[in-house]
Amino acid sequence: GQNIDQPTEMTATEGAIVQINCTYQTSGFNGLFWYQQHAGEAPTFLSYNVLDGLEEKGRFSSFLSRSKGYSYLLLKELQMKDSASYLCAVRPRKAAGNKLTFGGGTRVLVKP
Amino acid sequence: DTAVSQTPKYLVTQMGNDKSIKCEQNLGHDTMYWYKQDSKKFLKIMFSYNNKELIINETVPNRFSPKSPDKAHLNLHINSLELGDSAVYFCASSPLRDTGELFFGEGSRLTVL
Repeated sequence: GQNIDQPTEMTATEGAIVQINCTYQTSGFNGLFWYQQHAGEAPTFLSYNVLDGLEEKGRFSSFLSRSKGYSYLLLKELQMKDSASYLCAVRPRKAAGNKLTFGGGTRVLVKP
Repeated sequence: DTAVSQTPKYLVTQMGNDKSIKCEQNLGHDTMYWYKQDSKKFLKIMFSYNNKELIINETVPNRFSPKSPDKAHLNLHINSLELGDSAVYFCASSPLRDTGELFFGEGSRLTVL
């Protein structure tokens, strides 16, 4: 089966850094994804890791350790607009159609 | 210039009714999906079509029937609606490449009374 865990909620201050952890147990692994979802809106793609290490994209970075079944999303220089849910998703195996299994999301609240 | 558009955005209906949600993408993608997001915010895949062919069919009641008339459209028909069907249904598409990046529509919030 598939199991993806991430904290339910986190609070941080504008300008600070927040790290959202995600642990997973899946049958096979072919990529980990992070999506951002503002309340009432569609999820939007943030990052993709398939090999171990850190991927940096501007203020957002994502890290993967396949041996530990662990990833984190790092948000730097937090802005108020970063208040959203962040969804960790795993693609269990390479298959047509990009089947993703999502975690329940971490709601990040950025305070002034 | 919406990339993935779905209609209606909101749907309120009685138990036992039949309803449809339509989805269209103008990105030229080969693959389309239906995901269900429940009240606990878990996004779960229901179906996936690749170039009009069904390739993913998760454990979904057969009251749910997807239809893809062409690769730019994927509709979802639901028969005999139940209270537990209340959720937000997201349509998505992806190109046939290895990034796994899904492009989601804005969602259709279904409320069954």
